[in-house]
Amino acid sequence: ELKVEQNPLFLSMQEGKNYTIYCNYSTTSDRLYWYRQDPGKSLESLFVLLSNGAVKQEGRLMASLDTKARLSTLHITAAVHDLSATYFCAGGDYGQNFVFGPGTRLSVLP
Amino acid sequence: DTEVTQTPKHLVMGMTNKKSLKCEQHMGHRAMYWYKQKAKKPPELMFVYSYEKLSINESVPSRFSPECPNSSLLNLHLHALQPEDSALYLCASSQGLMDVWGGAHTQYFGPGTRLTVL
Repeated sequence: ELKVEQNPLFLSMQEGKNYTIYCNYSTTSDRLYWYRQDPGKSLESLFVLLSNGAVKQEGRLMASLDTKARLSTLHITAAVHDLSATYFCAGGDYGQNFVFGPGTRLSVLP
Repeated sequence: DTEVTQTPKHLVMGMTNKKSLKCEQHMGHRAMYWYKQKAKKPPELMFVYSYEKLSINESVPSRFSPECPNSSLLNLHLHALQPEDSALYLCASSQGLMDVWGGAHTQYFGPGTRLTVL
C-alpha cells in the first residue's frame, strides 16, 4: 500500500527567501502530483511528474522527482505572500487511488 | 473547459434530513471521484466511478450513497448523517483510471460543498 509523507508539515518563511518541501513515498509510484489548496478552497493541480529525473517549473515553484530515492521536492524561490497555502503531494497508486500526503501549510510573512 | 462544478456550495442539514450533492464535468472524463476533507487534513477518497460503474468504495458508511446517472454527472445522496460527517466534500474527475502506460491520470477537482450536520 502506497504511503506518502511530507515534511515539513508547517513552514513559516520570510518573503524573498528560498525553501524546499520534501515528499517521500513508500512503494513504487508511477508518478507524483503536486496540488495547492487555499483555505476553504478546492485543490489546484500544480505539477505532474511522470518519470525519474523529471523537473518542472512554474513561476517561483519548481518540482522534481527521484524515483530511486522515492522522493519529490517542491522548491520555492524568492517566496512572496501569494504563495501562502497548503501544498499536497500525491502518489498515483497504479491508476486506482490517489494517495495524498498530509500537506505542508506554508505561510509567507512580509 | 477544465472545470468541475459542484452544487450546492454550502449545505446545512439535520441528522434526519435527506439531501444530495451534485457534481458535473464536461471534459469527457470517464472517471469521477468523491472525496471527504476535514479541516487541516488531506482529502480522503470515498468513491470512484469508472465508465459510470462504481469501481471503488472505500468502506464508506451506507448513509452515503453515490450515483452516476451518466458520464458527466455524479451525485452523493446523504441520509441520517452524523455531526462528525461535517466536512468539505470534493468531487474530481480524470480522463480515466489509468493511461496506456498504467499510470494515474491527473484529477481535476471541483470547488467543493461545505457540509454542516447539526
